[in-house]
Amino acid sequence: DTGVSQDPRHKITKRGQNVTFRCDPISEHNRLYWYRQTLGQGPEFLTYFQNEAQLEKSRLLSDRFSAERPKGSFSTLEIQRTEQGDSAMYLCASSPRPGGEQFFGPGTRLTVL
Amino acid sequence: SQKIEQNSEALNIQEGKTATLTCNYTNYSPAYLQWYRQDPGRGPVFLLLIRENEKEKRKERLKVTFDTTLKQSLFHITASQPADSATYLCALAGDYGQNFVFGPGTRLSVLP
Repeated sequence: DTGVSQDPRHKITKRGQNVTFRCDPISEHNRLYWYRQTLGQGPEFLTYFQNEAQLEKSRLLSDRFSAERPKGSFSTLEIQRTEQGDSAMYLCASSPRPGGEQFFGPGTRLTVL
Repeated sequence: SQKIEQNSEALNIQEGKTATLTCNYTNYSPAYLQWYRQDPGRGPVFLLLIRENEKEKRKERLKVTFDTTLKQSLFHITASQPADSATYLCALAGDYGQNFVFGPGTRLSVLP
């Protein structure tokens, strides 16, 4: 399977803990996006990488959120000091070209107790 | 601030009819407009892309139009089938295609 994969698929954590999610994009795609989605809403843009460079980050994104894409391959999204409001589906997508079709992973569902 | 609206949260149509979904935006001049399908508990799946200088795109039973004057895109599914039941999302991005803004989605139900 050469699609986008995400790990873990589900994460339950207690408020105040740190969590890290991983995304493995389609190998030949140099563009990678992270989104957050809550029930009944569309995905909300979090950040964008072109190769290893983080070129855009949502202004709404708290400084508790950080993302990396070392070597321009897989990416990680870390949330520090989680809050109940962080509970959501975290989606990763990759794309082969600017503005091009995005291929989404299955998502990581985070529940903060 | 940028705002995207999609017609009604839910749309019910009879099998075989044409479903028309609307995406309206304000305070935005997108260069790219995309439509996605999302099933419950799964990531969105890309359907169609249309650029600002294009008026219409088609793919099998799907058609999308893009009117930059009206700031609106219409998404049509002809000869709809129960398997087309899903949430449909529109997404817009500017010149560099780096920051996509998604609408809230329309939940389509095709009744047999």
